[in-house]
Amino acid sequence: DFQMTQSPSSLSASVGDRVTITCRASQGISNYLAWYQQKPGKGPKLLIYAASTLQSGVPSRFSGSGSGTDFTLTISSLQPEDVATYYCQKYNSAPRLFTFGPGTRVDIK
Amino acid sequence: EVQLVESGGGLVQPGGSLRLSCAASGFTFSNYAMSWVRQAPGKGLEWVSAISGGGDTPYYGDSVKGRITISRDNSKNTLYLQMNSLRAEDTAVYYCAKVAVPIVYGRFDYWGQGTLVTVSS
Repeated sequence: DFQMTQSPSSLSASVGDRVTITCRASQGISNYLAWYQQKPGKGPKLLIYAASTLQSGVPSRFSGSGSGTDFTLTISSLQPEDVATYYCQKYNSAPRLFTFGPGTRVDIK
Repeated sequence: EVQLVESGGGLVQPGGSLRLSCAASGFTFSNYAMSWVRQAPGKGLEWVSAISGGGDTPYYGDSVKGRITISRDNSKNTLYLQMNSLRAEDTAVYYCAKVAVPIVYGRFDYWGQGTLVTVSS
């Protein structure tokens, strides 16, 4: 059964730290991978698509990489406004149309 | 400015029905596929359903197939989700999302604020 996994499930880092979140697909999905940021009580916001393309208006401290089954979201210098839960999502046609990872909660230490 | 505003959520008894709406503005609605995503309290995101820009091709997640119907009225710039035979596990915030491309297989570039559906007796 197709699955997306994320690690870690949560992390706490200091302002200015480099933060890395990993997403893994159980089967290859090429680069059909998006990253979303969700703050409490809000709808998600698209950060990255096609694994590494920054969505318009998103700060350049966010970056994405990877292809196939292994992907990474990096925040180069963590800011207080980056406190949120981050989800990866695959969006190609098969297997399964859309699947989200379980999420990674990011807090400030 | 793209805006997506969901409505129609509320408290419904198990086995009941509910229709959610999503009013869209700020873009040419008929040119883009749309989707519904839900989030149970304290849980992650779960894709529910999607529909092509023309409304002729719906897609459903396994957990809702057979109980949910997605539709759209391009003349009213509105997306719908008809939910029947509701169960306690359908309790969630339901988000409307715009697909960034005309076909269904695309990232979700705009999201609404969500509407809460609570299934309980």
